[in-house]
Amino acid sequence: EAEVAQSPRYKITEKSQAVAFWCDPISGHATLYWYRQILGQGPELLVQFQDESVVDDSQLPKDRFSAERLKGVDSTLKIQPAELGDSAMYLCASSLGWDQNTEAFFGQGTRLTVV
Amino acid sequence: GDSVTQMEGPVTLSEEAFLTINCTYTATGYPSLFWYVQYPGEGLQLLLKATKADDKGSNKGFEATYRKETTSFHLEKGSVQVSDSAVYFCALRRIQGAQKLVFGQGTRLTINP
Repeated sequence: EAEVAQSPRYKITEKSQAVAFWCDPISGHATLYWYRQILGQGPELLVQFQDESVVDDSQLPKDRFSAERLKGVDSTLKIQPAELGDSAMYLCASSLGWDQNTEAFFGQGTRLTVV
Repeated sequence: GDSVTQMEGPVTLSEEAFLTINCTYTATGYPSLFWYVQYPGEGLQLLLKATKADDKGSNKGFEATYRKETTSFHLEKGSVQVSDSAVYFCALRRIQGAQKLVFGQGTRLTINP
């Protein structure tokens, strides 16, 4: 069964360091999402791509976060410098399109701990 | 802006008990509504969905009905099992704009044998 792949599963980094997460969506899925899930809360959208273009990054802290999907397939989310408050689960999801009825499939996430 | 509010957790029930997890939403227009489930150590999985008023989504014994008049989408199951222990998220996806998923805060459910 096709699935969204994320790596690493776990990451511990010191504050002020740089950290990067990788996501490979399901083949053929044009829409890719990065969500942040703080412990005890629901996921919140950081950035949404349609192919290689950003369609929503209104909640992305652009002073320290960046995301790219250069060839419209896999994607990288980067944080530089990391802060203690960035500790969270980072979830990647993909869907065939952005139609409201299209199912979004989630990866297992990367759990980031900033110390 | 759009928002989803779920009942506070955690919820603890005995096996075979009846389950209700309340969910209400605020959104412009008529969004699609979803329930996602997150088992320990795993990502979110779609449990069920409803795309218009009075639609009933169902899967694995779980049901939820899209109630426009009360802006609600409560999750129910008649007889829960230990394997249903997980965190449940209610979410909406609106028609306009980028159509992102907006999630509630999640409800942790524990079923005791």
